[in-house]
Amino acid sequence: AQSVAQPEDQVNVAEGNPLTVKCTYSVSGNPYLFWYVQYPNRGLQFLLKYITGDNLVKGSYGFEAEFNKSQTSFHLKKPSALVSDSALYFCAVRDSTSGTYKYIFGTGTRLKVLA
Amino acid sequence: KAGVTQTPRYLIKTRGQQVTLSCSPISGHRSVSWYQQTPGQGLQFLFEYFSETQRNKGNFPGRFSGRQFSNSRSEMNVSTLELGDSALYLCASSSLDPRRETQYFGPGTRLLVL
Repeated sequence: AQSVAQPEDQVNVAEGNPLTVKCTYSVSGNPYLFWYVQYPNRGLQFLLKYITGDNLVKGSYGFEAEFNKSQTSFHLKKPSALVSDSALYFCAVRDSTSGTYKYIFGTGTRLKVLA
Repeated sequence: KAGVTQTPRYLIKTRGQQVTLSCSPISGHRSVSWYQQTPGQGLQFLFEYFSETQRNKGNFPGRFSGRQFSNSRSEMNVSTLELGDSALYLCASSSLDPRRETQYFGPGTRLLVL
């Protein structure tokens, strides 16, 4: 069964420091992987995705993520955190081979960037 | 290009009533998915429509239903509302072109059941 795990409910980081938000996945075929961000009282905003190709994916607002097939991980990273990055981050996966277009979302990680 | 729009943005209902939420996808997108977001359960998939057909369904009771029209606009209906149905309901659309496939979300409809 497809699943996504975000092991940390909350991540705290000081402004200017690098940040990592973790995500691991389990799918039967090749994964389509996504990161979304949600600000208070808003919908989800797309950050970046991995479908195929280069394992390092660059996205919006200076975020990037690295696809690691052997560790089945897709961690979100940013070299220098901003206070405005504080939000709820969701990892999602879609199995590309099942013929289904159902997305599975992680439980979310709240990122707090401290000034 | 206009984004995904959802109406209404806020809704207050009482137990036992029914509610209909509307979603207009990004122009050209033919897939529309619905999610329920609550603090306790996170993002739960409700169903997905493509070309007016329901292709996928999550684990929700039959009180939750939806449909899609020929212009790809979608509605979801919840009948006999329960207190636990209070949530943010999110709609997402996708083009399903494998090279560009990404779900884009609307701002959500916040439903409060009293």
